[in-house]
Amino acid sequence: LAKTTQPISMDSYEGQEVNITCSHNNIATNDYITWYQQFPSQGPRFIIQGYKTKVTNEVASLFIPADRKSSTLSLPRVSLSDTAVYYCLVGDPNQAGTALIFGKGTTLSVSS
Amino acid sequence: NAGVMQNPRHLVRRRGQEARLRCSPMKGHSHVYWYRQLPEEGLKFMVYLQKENIIDESGMPKERFSAEFPKEGPSILRIQQVVRGDSAAYFCASSPRSGANVLTFGAGSRLTVL
Repeated sequence: LAKTTQPISMDSYEGQEVNITCSHNNIATNDYITWYQQFPSQGPRFIIQGYKTKVTNEVASLFIPADRKSSTLSLPRVSLSDTAVYYCLVGDPNQAGTALIFGKGTTLSVSS
Repeated sequence: NAGVMQNPRHLVRRRGQEARLRCSPMKGHSHVYWYRQLPEEGLKFMVYLQKENIIDESGMPKERFSAEFPKEGPSILRIQQVVRGDSAAYFCASSPRSGANVLTFGAGSRLTVL
């Protein structure tokens, strides 16, 4: 499984756009990039998944450059409720017997 | 359609006792994963199971910990002779197929060892 590196923490203010970048230099051809969000005392929740270019849903956007060695999760106009830990994972969704490995994630703190 | 159900949500045990944590995956999901989260730390993978099979237990401590996912009923994570260092949140997740990268997590079971 490709190793990922992301900042330990980030601070932001309400209404700002937040971009969290994840490095995955050893990403394999069949790997997808997936982001999860975890609030205190809750289990992680799937946010978004992508393979290349840009993916957008109602929660976030995911930008993946052509070389796929990094990805950026973009949260538009954050609010206090976006304070959470964000995890970046890389893996092949079609590879049997693969368990997802979470790192320490990025702790995002949003202030008013 | 209920999500991943974990129980108990909170469990208190004294050192040396046994802890049993249960996980019912989402309907239609046959793959279960267990993770442990210590305070102020990230999620640590423990074990990955399919019905009646352990696929990957590379994250399980060699002693005192075991997991099963029987043909009928929930997945069970069992910790024998608990120690204070076992105090943590234990999360279960499920997916409809292998890999997938999209896991649905339960709310977790918080074990406190006195």
